[in-house]
Amino acid sequence: DSGVTQTPKHLITATGQRVTLRCSPRSGDLSVYWYQQSLDQGLQFLIQYYNGEERAKGNILERFSAQQFPDLHSELNLSSLELGDSALYFCASSAGQGLDEQFFGPGTRLTVL
Amino acid sequence: AQTVTQSQPEMSVQEAETVTLSCTYDTSESDYYLFWYKQPPSRQMILVIRQEAYKQQNATENRFSVNFQKAAKSFSLKISDSQLGDAAMYFCAYNNPARQLTFGSGTQLTVLP
Repeated sequence: DSGVTQTPKHLITATGQRVTLRCSPRSGDLSVYWYQQSLDQGLQFLIQYYNGEERAKGNILERFSAQQFPDLHSELNLSSLELGDSALYFCASSAGQGLDEQFFGPGTRLTVL
Repeated sequence: AQTVTQSQPEMSVQEAETVTLSCTYDTSESDYYLFWYKQPPSRQMILVIRQEAYKQQNATENRFSVNFQKAAKSFSLKISDSQLGDAAMYFCAYNNPARQLTFGSGTQLTVLP
């Protein structure tokens, strides 16, 4: 158990819908990262927050957004969902905003029908 | 852009034997970390080992060790005394100063009894 929690574990929805994925980092960690794992794209970095502020952006679509709240939990919002958005979405956390290791949550499996 | 290449999509090893997984990366940075993550069938991403680029000594974690060749940009993982529980997908990852983890495509390791 990494100490990072993600809810829900599974999510099934229809195209065009909007969903919110939630992540709670390990106790004391200030950075939260979101990754997408799909069969065709592999593991891709989406976005990072550090202590409530956006720090780095990767291959995140404009239909996706994220935020980190004062209690440090984070939410990833996915809107206008398409079939290709079906993937495993991971949240990871680390203590700082530098080169320290990231600990991953169990992931949220999103299926868009 | 940084890239991470794992040229072995699949590998197998006999239980109790040793196996080496290969990884190469491309970067112009001098300060970075490298990681190996393991993803068993549960899909949880588990940190196996990390290597700081400024350290010449190869990292070791119990039965797991790395061969880090900075000039050659090579970062292989050696698993000694392989166990059935080592069966998983292994990802090599590079962490740059922009704090983005870039993953290789993974190597599926099968451990044969």
